[in-house]
Amino acid sequence: EIVLTQSPATLSLSPGERATLSCRASQSISTYLAWYQQKPGQAPRLLIYDASNRATGIPARFSGSGSGTDFTLTISSLEPEDFAVYYCQQRERTFGQGTKVGIK
Amino acid sequence: QVQLEESGGGVVQPGRSLTLSCVASGFGFSSHAMNWVRQAPGKGLEWVASIWYDGTNKKYGDSVKGRFTISRDNSKNTLHLQMNSLRAEDTALYYCARVASKLGAFDYWGQGTLVTVSS
Repeated sequence: EIVLTQSPATLSLSPGERATLSCRASQSISTYLAWYQQKPGQAPRLLIYDASNRATGIPARFSGSGSGTDFTLTISSLEPEDFAVYYCQQRERTFGQGTKVGIK
Repeated sequence: QVQLEESGGGVVQPGRSLTLSCVASGFGFSSHAMNWVRQAPGKGLEWVASIWYDGTNKKYGDSVKGRFTISRDNSKNTLHLQMNSLRAEDTALYYCARVASKLGAFDYWGQGTLVTVSS
């Protein structure tokens, strides 16, 4: 079973700052990685698929990169609505444990 | 618009069974693989089970294998999750989620149905 490890667990930043979230796979998963955003009381929302492709309607400030075992989600300039928990997922299967992006 | 609506959650005693349903609308249900994902209170997301568009090729997470069964009725646009031998650790909000065609990711999610396993 492939394990996804996200870091850091918590990120405290201010609006306008850059956020860099990491997801590491226990073995190579090529580019079969997705990123989701979840806000309190809401279902997750798909942000990125196949490591670097933005889903429909996702703002350009969200970008994904990586392949093999190391992946990154970058939010170039945090907006107030971006403070949430972010999960990575190996293609339709295992999720990482999440990174909470909180307001500093 | 695409909608997924889960139902069937509730309070159930350990060892008992429960069946969840997810009714889909606004898209060609029979063309999409579907999944169940759960989230224990205050915890992260856990993939539970998947089923191909035609009801074949079912897969399960290790924690539910042998106890849960995923199924679908394409004539009724409905996804099911039969849960047997329930344990306290199965307590969670259960989401159904659609697999986006060719994207390998879940593009639409329901709002979830809460299952509480407690004596």
